[in-house]
Amino acid sequence: GQNIDQPTEMTATEGAIVQINCTYQTSGFNGLFWYQQHAGEAPTFLSYNVLDGLEEKGRFSSFLSRSKGYSYLLLKELQMKDSASYLCAVILRQAGTALIFGKGTTLSVSS
Amino acid sequence: EAGVAQSPRYKIIEKRQSVAFWCNPISGHATLYWYQQILGQGPKLLIQFQNNGVVDDSQLPKDRFSAERLKGVDSTLKIQPAKLEDSAVYLCASSLGLQGGYEQYFGPGTRLTVT
Repeated sequence: GQNIDQPTEMTATEGAIVQINCTYQTSGFNGLFWYQQHAGEAPTFLSYNVLDGLEEKGRFSSFLSRSKGYSYLLLKELQMKDSASYLCAVILRQAGTALIFGKGTTLSVSS
Repeated sequence: EAGVAQSPRYKIIEKRQSVAFWCNPISGHATLYWYQQILGQGPKLLIQFQNNGVVDDSQLPKDRFSAERLKGVDSTLKIQPAKLEDSAVYLCASSLGLQGGYEQYFGPGTRLTVT
């Protein structure tokens, strides 16, 4: 079967850097997404990795290692508004374009 | 550009009752998805449409759930009869599909409470 693991909760302080890890065991891997979801709201797109390496977008960066089945989301200069759930999701070749999500990591940022 | 629209936003029903959710995707998006998100978990795909055809409904509990996408635009998801374990947020998402990229855009969701 398909398995995606993320830590359940993380805490950090304003201005700090936090790294949220995601490991996956899947067949037919075809890309990995990170979504942000504030409580009671819809998930919003953060990043998409299909090749190994680091993708940087402002304060957020995402890394992928296909050989290790590993990704991380790096958040720099944390702000209170970054308190949210961060969802790791994969796309599989045999599943068309549907996403398979992990359970999400709830990040709490304190002052 | 208008986003994905869903209604209603909230619904409370008793078990064994029926309920329907509506979704209007982003204009021009060929692919539409319904996900179920139980509290504390990530979204789980229920059904995927490509235009008005079903691509994947392997995780849809077909004895009680049904969905359609008439004319390849709007979609409805129905539950009949509802069970307590159906309490969740039902998210609709759309994307351009294989030809235009994998990024999915989500609607605000319908929060269903079954009592």
